[in-house]
Amino acid sequence: GQSLEQPSEVTAVEGAIVQINCTYQTSGFYGLSWYQQHDGGAPTFLSYNGLDGLEETGRFSSFLSRSDSYGYLLLQELQMKDSASYFCALYSSASKIIFGSGTRLSIRP
Amino acid sequence: NAGVTQTPKFRILKIGQSMTLQCTQDMNHNYMYWYRQDPGMGLKLIYYSVGAGITDKGEVPNGYNVSRSTTEDFPLRLELAAPSQTSVYFCASSWERVFDEQYFGPGTRLTVT
Repeated sequence: GQSLEQPSEVTAVEGAIVQINCTYQTSGFYGLSWYQQHDGGAPTFLSYNGLDGLEETGRFSSFLSRSDSYGYLLLQELQMKDSASYFCALYSSASKIIFGSGTRLSIRP
Repeated sequence: NAGVTQTPKFRILKIGQSMTLQCTQDMNHNYMYWYRQDPGMGLKLIYYSVGAGITDKGEVPNGYNVSRSTTEDFPLRLELAAPSQTSVYFCASSWERVFDEQYFGPGTRLTVT
């Protein structure tokens, strides 16, 4: 089967850097995405890694290592508005889209 | 562009009732999806469609049905509602490939009592 593991909660300080990890077990997949979801809101797309390596989009970066079955989302210069839940998602096919249970990021002033 | 719209925003059903959740997108996306999200959990794929007239099951299809007669609309039908179907339902769409950025609707919060 397939599974994704994320930490359930992470706390960080405003202005700092935080890394949210996602480990997975699967035999083959297209790539790994990250979504942000504020309380009561809909998920919004942050990034996609189809190949190993780092993808950078502004303050957010995402990394994938297929050999280590591991990815992460890196958030820099944290702002209070970054307080949200972050989900990794794995795509094996159109019928096999697996989301992690999410990491709740809390940011302290 | 309105993006992905869903109706209703909230609904309370009695056990055994049926209802249709509506989803419309105006981005001319080929792929559309229905997910459910239980409290504190990630999204689970119920059904998806790769184009008008083509639908298929996701991870948790039991108790649901879908149709896709047009590119824009992808309604989700709940037959014989059960308390286990209490959840938030999200519709999403993407352009050409399953791993393209998915655009989500605002969600429908459904309670079955």
